[in-house]
Formats: sequence, C-alpha cells, structure tokens
Amino acid sequence: DIQMTQSPSSLSASVGDRVTITCRASQNIRNYLNWYQQKPGTAPQLLIFVASSLQSGVPSRFSGSGSGTDFTLTISSLQPDDFATYYCQQSYSTPRTFGQGTKLEIK
Amino acid sequence: QVQLRESGPGLVKPSQTLSLNCAVSGGSVNSGGYYWSWIRQRPGKGLDFLGYIYDTGTTYYNPSLKSRLTISIDTSRNQFSLKLTSVTAADTAVYYCARVVHRGDYEDLWGQGTLVTVS
Repeated sequence: DIQMTQSPSSLSASVGDRVTITCRASQNIRNYLNWYQQKPGTAPQLLIFVASSLQSGVPSRFSGSGSGTDFTLTISSLQPDDFATYYCQQSYSTPRTFGQGTKLEIK
Repeated sequence: QVQLRESGPGLVKPSQTLSLNCAVSGGSVNSGGYYWSWIRQRPGKGLDFLGYIYDTGTTYYNPSLKSRLTISIDTSRNQFSLKLTSVTAADTAVYYCARVVHRGDYEDLWGQGTLVTVS
C-alpha cells in the first residue's frame, strides 16, 4: 500500500493567516492526490482533486499543488469556517489510502 | 441534487455480520462516469478505504479485510450495500458510502455516515 504522511498533524493559526499543509507519498503518485475537509460529526467534503483542481463550490482561497511524491494544500486567508481536519488521499493505486489528517485549530 | 444515505443497525454483536445499505437519491447508480465506494472511520481516527463497486457489479476489496467484505449493488432499488462478516470491536466505526468520479478516482460526494458499534 502507498503510505501518505501529512505534516503537521496539528496546527494553530489565526483568522487571516496563510496556512500550508503538506502531504508526502511513499512512492510516485503522479498527480492523483485529493484533499478533503472534515468538521466534527460530519462527513469529509472534497476540496481539491487531482492535486490542483478546485471542486465546484469550494472557495478560491483553497489551492493545491504538487506532483510525484510531494503535495501541498494552501489556504490563502483563513476564515472561521476553515477550522477543521484536513486529509489527503492518493487515488493512484488501490487500495486508496489517506493521510493521518491535519487538525487546524484556532490560535 | 444527488444525495447518499446510509442505513442499517447501529449495534452488532461480535462474530456477527454487519450489513449496511446506501440509498442514492436525485440520481442513478447507473450514472455514467461514477462508481460507488465504502469508507470507514474508527472513533477518533483517520479514514480507511474499504472497497468499491461499479454498476456492472465489478468490485474491489481492500486486502486488509481479507474475505470478510462483500459489496453489492441493486440497480432496481438504486442502492448499494456492504456486508462485513465476523466483526470484532475493531470494526466499530462510522461507515460512509460515497460516489467516486471515475476519471480521477476520487470521492466527490459522501453520505452523512452511520455509526456502527460492535459490542
């Protein structure tokens, strides 16, 4: 299985901050990397697919980049609604695997 | 718009079979360009991919579940299902069904999830 490692595991930030979350794959996954946001008690929601494509309805302050083994999710200016846990997922090969999550908390 | 909703028992005894359905509304399980998956999340933990099914009935199962998992689809009822046999406490989790975009293989739409406790 491809291992996905996110960093940091948790992050404290303030409204208006620029935040970057990193995801590293244990092998080359080309651009088959997706990002999800999950708030407590709710299902994950797709933010970014195939590394850099913004899902319909997702604010433009979210962006993704990377290819191969290293990827980033950037939130350009944190809003109160963005405090949540973020997961990366590789869809290059089965079984699809997720990172362990990055919990974004209010400073 | 398309919605997915999981249903099934919230409590299952150890060694028994966990059975869940995912009803698709506002769209069809036969929709071109999509297939259907199950993912679970143990309490306080991350996301685990379980398997998927196409409308043709073709399936994939995570090898970690060995031969315990069966996913099926009923196109006449517009739903798909999960059966997990010989459950233990380690199978206690929120189970999500999801729609998968074929081009890119990512889950773009999720059900709200259902908690299943094995006890």
